Amino acid sequence: EAGVTQFPSHSVIEKGQTVTLRCDPISGHDNLYWYRRVMGKEIKFLLHFVKESKQDESGMPNNRFLAERTGGTYSTLKVQPAELEDSGVYFCASSQDTGGLSYNEQFFGPGTRLTVL
Amino acid sequence: DQQVKQNSPSLSVQEGRISILNCDYTNSMFDYFLWYKKYPAEGPTFLISISSIKDKNEDGRFTVFLNKSAKHLSLHIVPSQPGDSAVYFCAARNNAGNMLTFGGGTRLMVKP
Repeated sequence: EAGVTQFPSHSVIEKGQTVTLRCDPISGHDNLYWYRRVMGKEIKFLLHFVKESKQDESGMPNNRFLAERTGGTYSTLKVQPAELEDSGVYFCASSQDTGGLSYNEQFFGPGTRLTVL
Repeated sequence: DQQVKQNSPSLSVQEGRISILNCDYTNSMFDYFLWYKKYPAEGPTFLISISSIKDKNEDGRFTVFLNKSAKHLSLHIVPSQPGDSAVYFCAARNNAGNMLTFGGGTRLMVKP
């Protein structure tokens, strides 16, 4: 079974440009999450989709970030316009039903390393 | 305000000895605690978890201990192996949702 995949693995852009990151979750996983790690610090939550709906977007830093999950399959995260502080590694994760009282493992992709110059 | 903290950025251990990684948290609403392991250029990989109603969970060489009164958890790896060398992240889930809150990570180096 394929794991979570992310594209591209690396992206180098200039300040003010637009970048779109893609995440393909594990087949059958309704839950999709975006996280990012900036400057080697902690991994921070950005948002959570359940199928195509945004369940929680409390971690989105500002309105330059737009996430979509049309059809409830793959997801894209667009940064427009990119700023220097957006540099970091963006991780996508997916899981089955949240399970309420139990924990369902979130499987992480390899990440996209974004560098804004 | 960092709700999950790993105060040791790195730890070096001899092969065969015990590795102890520590994590502190502040939010009483966390109901699950997890450890993820990360190799360079890869995403974090789930290692072991513990529910807030338990104080210990063991899986092979890995044991997680939870002290709720102290808001502290630790991961014990025994015996440590060179392949365990990686960055270990402590994470916690809020019972109001399924998002994970991560610590800053501890880099473990196991020397042969």
